[in-house]
Amino acid sequence: EAEVAQSPRYKITEKSQAVAFWCDPISGHATLYWYRQILGQGPELLVQFQDESVVDDSQLPKDRFSAERLKGVDSTLKIQPAELGDSAMYLCASSLTAGAPAVGTQYFGPGTRLLVL
Amino acid sequence: AQSVTQPDIHITVSEGASLELRCNYSYGATPYLFWYVQSPGQGLQLLLKYFSGDTLVQGIKGFEAEFKRSQSSFNLRKPSVHWSDAAEYFCAVGRMDSSYKLIFGSGTRLLVRP
Repeated sequence: EAEVAQSPRYKITEKSQAVAFWCDPISGHATLYWYRQILGQGPELLVQFQDESVVDDSQLPKDRFSAERLKGVDSTLKIQPAELGDSAMYLCASSLTAGAPAVGTQYFGPGTRLLVL
Repeated sequence: AQSVTQPDIHITVSEGASLELRCNYSYGATPYLFWYVQSPGQGLQLLLKYFSGDTLVQGIKGFEAEFKRSQSSFNLRKPSVHWSDAAEYFCAVGRMDSSYKLIFGSGTRLLVRP
């Protein structure tokens, strides 16, 4: 069964350092999502791609976060500089398309757990 | 603003007992509603979804949920819980903003007593 791949699974960094997370969606999935999940909360959408284009980054802290999906396949989320409050699980998901009802059929990767010291 | 409320942070049930997890939503139009499960250290897995039609929907792993418009609820149920069901459960509503997106509740952690 096809899965969403993410790496690394765990990352420990010091504040003010740069970190990057990688996601490879299910083959053929046009829509890719990055979520942040703070401990004890539900996931919150950071950015959504349709192919290589950003369709929603309204919740992305653009002063320190950036995301790209250059060829419309895999994606990278970067934080520079990292702050203590960035400690969270970063989840990647993909779906065939962005329109309803496919919006609900998102397949999630295992996540990257980030700890900022 | 659209929102999803899961009023129970933790629920503990005995193995073999029935389960109901509550979810209330706030949304102007007919919502798309979902339940996801997250095992420790893992991503989210879709259990079931409601778009329209029959208000009782069946999902994987023996779960079902009922959409009640009058109560703005979409509660998740299972008649007999197994120890492997211990996990965190998230209710979500799909809404149209600049694009379609999922809004998640804060989750309910299920503990199963042997």
